[in-house]
Amino acid sequence: KNQVEQSPQSLIILEGKNCTLQCNYTVSPFSNLRWYKQDTGRGPVSLTIMTFSENTKSNGRYTATLDADTKQSSLHITASQLSDSASYICVVILNRYTGTASKLTFGTGTRLQVTL
Amino acid sequence: NAGVTQTPKFRVLKTGQSMTLLCAQDMNHEYMYWYRQDPGMGLRLIHYSVGEGTTAKGEVPDGYNVSRLKKQNFLLGLESAAPSQTSVYFCASSYSNGLTEAFFGQGTRLTVV
Repeated sequence: KNQVEQSPQSLIILEGKNCTLQCNYTVSPFSNLRWYKQDTGRGPVSLTIMTFSENTKSNGRYTATLDADTKQSSLHITASQLSDSASYICVVILNRYTGTASKLTFGTGTRLQVTL
Repeated sequence: NAGVTQTPKFRVLKTGQSMTLLCAQDMNHEYMYWYRQDPGMGLRLIHYSVGEGTTAKGEVPDGYNVSRLKKQNFLLGLESAAPSQTSVYFCASSYSNGLTEAFFGQGTRLTVV
């Protein structure tokens, strides 16, 4: 069972509408949680980074929330645009010491398609 | 500023052939990583490096080797390609460990037939 579960797997919305993507994780203890946007044929690009003590973080029309008690995060996209069509990946980072690669656990992503 | 650059972008190999994927970063990052991305799965760490001259195994290292002779370059080698290694490979780099932001390359799509 993946330690980072995302829902829905895919979503189609009309341009201008809002949407919310969900991420549930079991990774513990974690140092931070990130949301990445991955355009088709491209590498992931960071949208937000939140530490375990933060509840919300915004980046333009993207707002991420985190509930460390329930181990849930969401990414809310406001006033969607065609360019928002992409996969959105939730990543949870385990707490590690410098000198080792902190364990990044990736979700499988939500594929969002914004249509006219 | 190019960021993280991967070459090649696409490659088709026959089973048993060898090849090297090159990753170059111009951000003076200490940490570099190789991931593979397969349908229905999250990115998985193959190998990583915490500095020039160092390498370490990730979650799925079998069948791959790496080298970090220069700080800016991280090479991923397949000595004898297998169809199970058909995947999209991503290189990433970060200033420090995973607590700092990681920047990804554009990916290499490898098909082994």
